[in-house]
Amino acid sequence: EDQVTQSPEALRLQEGESSSLNCSYTVSGLRGLFWYRQDPGKGPEFLFTLYSAGEEKEKERLKATLTKKESFLHITAPKPEDSATYLCAVRGSQGGSEKLVFGKGTKLTVNP
Amino acid sequence: KAGVTQTPRYLIKTRGQQVTLSCSPISGHRSVSWYQQTPGQGLQFLFEYFSETQRNKGNFPGRFSGRQFSNSRSEMNVSTLELGDSALYLCASTSGLAGLGTQYFGPGTRLLVL
Repeated sequence: EDQVTQSPEALRLQEGESSSLNCSYTVSGLRGLFWYRQDPGKGPEFLFTLYSAGEEKEKERLKATLTKKESFLHITAPKPEDSATYLCAVRGSQGGSEKLVFGKGTKLTVNP
Repeated sequence: KAGVTQTPRYLIKTRGQQVTLSCSPISGHRSVSWYQQTPGQGLQFLFEYFSETQRNKGNFPGRFSGRQFSNSRSEMNVSTLELGDSALYLCASTSGLAGLGTQYFGPGTRLLVL
């Protein structure tokens, strides 16, 4: 069964203090690892998709990387508006299905 | 392009009642998936529809059901509501080839069962 574990559960940073969020996964036949951001009371907002080990993607202060067992979301010089819950999800090899298996998320708080 | 829309946004029901939630996908998207989000369990997959056919189903009791219409709009139904069904219900739509797209989520329907 596909599984995703995210750590830490919560992270507090000062504005400008860079850090990384971890997503460990087990999946049979990875067909995509996804990062989403979720603000309170809203649906998840898509950030990145990674497909193979060694792949990296960047967007503003965020950079996602992927190995065969885990993914990292690096946040460089974060701002208060980066405060949110970051969700990691994997799509396995269930023939043609879009089903995602999510981790429980990392709640990031960036203090000014 | 308009995003995924879900109605209603908030709902209060009592135990034993049934509820129907609606999801309109992004224009052109043919795949719709439903998830339940609770503080304890996080996001859990309910089911997925593609071209009016259920393509996959999660581990939820038969009280949870869904359907998709020819215009790709989808509904999910929960019968005989229980207190534990209180959650945020999220719908996501996907474009592109089956199983290779990116899921874009709606704002969710928050259901409270009293």
